[in-house]
Amino acid sequence: QSALTQPPFASGSPGQSVTISCTGVSSDVRGYDFVSWYQQHPGKAPKLLIFEVNKRPSGVPDRFSGSQSGNTAFLTVSGLQAEDEADYYCSSYAGTVVFGGGTKLTVL
Amino acid sequence: QVQLQESGPELVKPSETLSLTCTVSGGSISNYYWSWVRQSPGKGLEWIGYIFHSGHTDYNPFFKGRVAMSVDTSTNQFSLRLTSVTAADTAVYYCARPTTAAAGPTDFHSWGRGILVTVSS
Repeated sequence: QSALTQPPFASGSPGQSVTISCTGVSSDVRGYDFVSWYQQHPGKAPKLLIFEVNKRPSGVPDRFSGSQSGNTAFLTVSGLQAEDEADYYCSSYAGTVVFGGGTKLTVL
Repeated sequence: QVQLQESGPELVKPSETLSLTCTVSGGSISNYYWSWVRQSPGKGLEWIGYIFHSGHTDYNPFFKGRVAMSVDTSTNQFSLRLTSVTAADTAVYYCARPTTAAAGPTDFHSWGRGILVTVSS
C-alpha cells in the first residue's frame, strides 16, 4: 500500500465547514475499511478523531465526521472553532499501515 | 484508561542502536497490536511496525533489516530497537495502541507522549 495523499493545506472561517480528502485508501483482505483520522496540535501527540471510516471515539465532538467514496476518504469538520487549527492525518490499514502526509488546517 | 509512556536514551550516536521501551499502565498488554510511530521534525507520521502480545511482529518495509521489536508481558512493556541509525532517524518516537483488541493495528486510539531521539555525535 502506497502512502496516502492529502492536500497540504486547508482553511475556513469560524462556523464554516471544511472537508479534507485522503486518496489511496484500500480495504483489507476481508473487505473491511480501516480508515482513521488524527488531529495533532504543535508539540502534542496525535489524537484519534475517527476510526473505521466514520466512527467517533468517546469524547470526540460530532462536529468531526468521516466518510469514504471509493479509494478516497474524507474528514469533515463542521462549525469550525479556533481550537480546530491543527494538523490532520489520515491512516489506512490493509495488512500494513500507511499515513497521509498531513493537512494543516487554518481557522481564518 | 490505558496509559503509555516511552522511555530510553534521547541522544544516540550515528551508526549505533536506538533502543526505546513503552510501558503500559491501566490495562493489560495482552490481545492488542502495539505499534511504534515516529515523526521527524516538521514532518508527518511514519509507522515503524507492530508487535502482538504473543511476540508476532510486522514491520514497515522501509525499516526492515534495521528494526526489531520485543514484548515482555510480565512487566507490561514492549520495546523498539533500530540499528545503524543516522541523522535521518532523528524524530519523536511514539508508542500507540488501537481501539479494538486482536484486530490488528487498525487505528491508534491511545498514544504515549512521545520521546524525541536525536542522532548526533
